[in-house]
Amino acid sequence: DTEVTQTPKHLVMGMTNKKSLKCEQHMGHRAMYWYKQKAKKPPELMFVYSYEKLSINESVPSRFSPECPNSSLLNLHLHALQPEDSALYLCASSPQRGGNTEAFFGQGTRLTVV
Amino acid sequence: SQQGEEDPQALSIQEGENATMNCSYKTSINNLQWYRQNSGRGLVHLILIRSNEREKHSGRLRVTLDTSKKSSSLLITASRAADTASYFCATVGQNFVFGPGTRLSVLP
Repeated sequence: DTEVTQTPKHLVMGMTNKKSLKCEQHMGHRAMYWYKQKAKKPPELMFVYSYEKLSINESVPSRFSPECPNSSLLNLHLHALQPEDSALYLCASSPQRGGNTEAFFGQGTRLTVV
Repeated sequence: SQQGEEDPQALSIQEGENATMNCSYKTSINNLQWYRQNSGRGLVHLILIRSNEREKHSGRLRVTLDTSKKSSSLLITASRAADTASYFCATVGQNFVFGPGTRLSVLP
C-alpha cells in the first residue's frame, strides 16, 4: 500500500465552525507533513511531524492545530478560519524527515471558508 | 518557505516536442526531486537526483543537476497531451521545499 489517504476531499465551512482534516498512511513512514497550496502556487510547508513529534511550525496561525495521534495518522484541526485560508491542503509522508527518499502525497482536501 | 525557482512559469508546446524546465535554488541540499501535479490533485514523484549526481534518466525524463550553479533541469522528451500538468522541483534538506512550478500545456 503506497497511498496517503486524505478525508474529506472537499470541505466548506463557516468562519465560526470547527472542523478537522484527516490523513492516513500505512507505509510505516515516520515523517508526515501538512502543506497549504493556493491556486497557481507551490505547496507551502505548514507542519512536520517526525516520529510523532512536531518538529517545526512555520509560523502558521494558531487557528490551525496539528495532531499526530500515532505513526499512521495526522490530523489538522481548524477553528475560526478566515476566507483567505481557502486552499488545497495536502498531506504527505516520507520514510524519514527529508533524506534521500521521495515524499508521497495524498489527493488533498479542497477547503472553502465562507 | 520557497527555495527553488522554476523557469519558465508556463510552457505551451505541441505533442511530440521536447519540454525543458529549469529550477534554481539557494541553499545546500541532500537531493533535488521533481514532482508532477495534475490540476487540483496531489503531487506525484517523478525523479530524484542526489547532490553527488549530475544526470539521471527515467523513461522519457532526463534530469540534470549542477550544484556549482545551484540549478537543475527537467527534460521531457516526445511529449504527449497526457503530460499536461504543473511540474515542481523540490529541494530536500531537512524538509521538502517546492519551487514556484512550471505549468506545461501539451497541445494535441
